[in-house]
Amino acid sequence: GENVEQHPSTLSVQEGDSAVIKCTYSDSASNYFPWYKQELGKRPQLIIDIRSNVGEKKDQRIAVTLNKTAKHFSLHITETQPEDSAVYFCAALRNGNQFYFGTGTSLTVIP
Amino acid sequence: GAVVSQHPSRVICKSGTSVKIECRSLDFQATTMFWYRQFPKQSLMLMATSNEGSKATYEQGVEKDKFLINHASLTLSTLTVTSAHPEDSSFYICSARDPAGAGEAFFGQGTRLTVV
Repeated sequence: GENVEQHPSTLSVQEGDSAVIKCTYSDSASNYFPWYKQELGKRPQLIIDIRSNVGEKKDQRIAVTLNKTAKHFSLHITETQPEDSAVYFCAALRNGNQFYFGTGTSLTVIP
Repeated sequence: GAVVSQHPSRVICKSGTSVKIECRSLDFQATTMFWYRQFPKQSLMLMATSNEGSKATYEQGVEKDKFLINHASLTLSTLTVTSAHPEDSSFYICSARDPAGAGEAFFGQGTRLTVV
């Protein structure tokens, strides 16, 4: 199946700084890459996604970039706030239906 | 957005008993649902793909006789953990994609299973 790797596993940033999380995938047929935010004990919530025909997408303080050739995509959070603290997961959609998740990044924003 | 409801949110059971977890799509029909397992501070591990009206597809290393999946209708999939043991204690979460939507997956609330 698909293999999604995510780095770093933990990330601490000062409030107001930027945070970058990177993922790589193995299946070149994967064509949809969402990012999820999960707070402790809660369900993952979609924060942004990108399709393989687009190189970059931005939504206010959050942006995602995709490099299909290198098979990697990244999440960028600017002007971080304490409420951004959570675990973030990247995912790749394979076979049109199966999501495979990265290992997660625990982000801590220090006030 | 679309809503996926999972029940129960928390369950404690004795070793050797079975536990059933339900996953419902409330405002859309889902021919396919997914079951994940999540250990503390770890990622979501895909266990199986539940297909309405047919057998589930299990990921490598997941015991299909241990984790029974039934997808009897377009809005309901169930996961039954049979003969539960303490090592089965985990957070189980389901998801489904709205075929009429943009493609994102919606997640249930998750079920915290504790086997004592």
